[in-house]
Amino acid sequence: SAVISQKPSRDICQRGTSLTIQCQVDSQVTMMFWYRQQPGQSLTLIATANQGSEATYESGFVIDKFPISRPNLTFSTLTVSNMSPEDSSIYLCSVSRGETQYFGPGTRLLVL
Amino acid sequence: GENVEQHPSTLSVQEGDSAVIKCTYSDSASNYFPWYKQELGKGPQLIIDIRSNVGEKKDQRIAVTLNKTAKHFSLHITETQPEDSAVYFCAASIPMYSGGGADGLTFGKGTHLIIQP
Repeated sequence: SAVISQKPSRDICQRGTSLTIQCQVDSQVTMMFWYRQQPGQSLTLIATANQGSEATYESGFVIDKFPISRPNLTFSTLTVSNMSPEDSSIYLCSVSRGETQYFGPGTRLLVL
Repeated sequence: GENVEQHPSTLSVQEGDSAVIKCTYSDSASNYFPWYKQELGKGPQLIIDIRSNVGEKKDQRIAVTLNKTAKHFSLHITETQPEDSAVYFCAASIPMYSGGGADGLTFGKGTHLIIQP
């Protein structure tokens, strides 16, 4: 398995501002993923973050809105830029060990 | 891309009874099917998974079955207990074989399982 922590655990932000979410893993992993879970909904993949290369974004998500960093094999950040109330969601990071994915506890974001 | 359908959206069962949640997928290339349990305020927790070379897998009260021909898989929970109450998500993926990594998961919409005492 993997022990994953995220910071912050929750935040309330004003529209137009940006928030950077941190994800830390207890051991080195090749692939990290960022997901969004809108209120009462399922999880949707935002992007895949590999160390040493640019993140790969899914359809409907763009780098300008969700810039991602992956400076090393245990850490990644996701920034939610120029936020609007529609960005209110839970943002989850996950890591893969082979085919198995493990999730962090999530960051609960409310945009006013 | 892959599309995963999950039913039912809500399932209420009496404590001690069995619960079954069903999922279908669209892409025949998918060959990895995990199930996650998400409790309120927490991230999804992997509870069981199955790969396409296996038809059934069991872990104590939890079992998963896979029918590749029909492209559907199911989660079975027997002797349900109050702590089984949560939202359950099925998912599917088409693993990337370069470097042994995995592709992102496509999730179903979730099933809210309620265990009635």
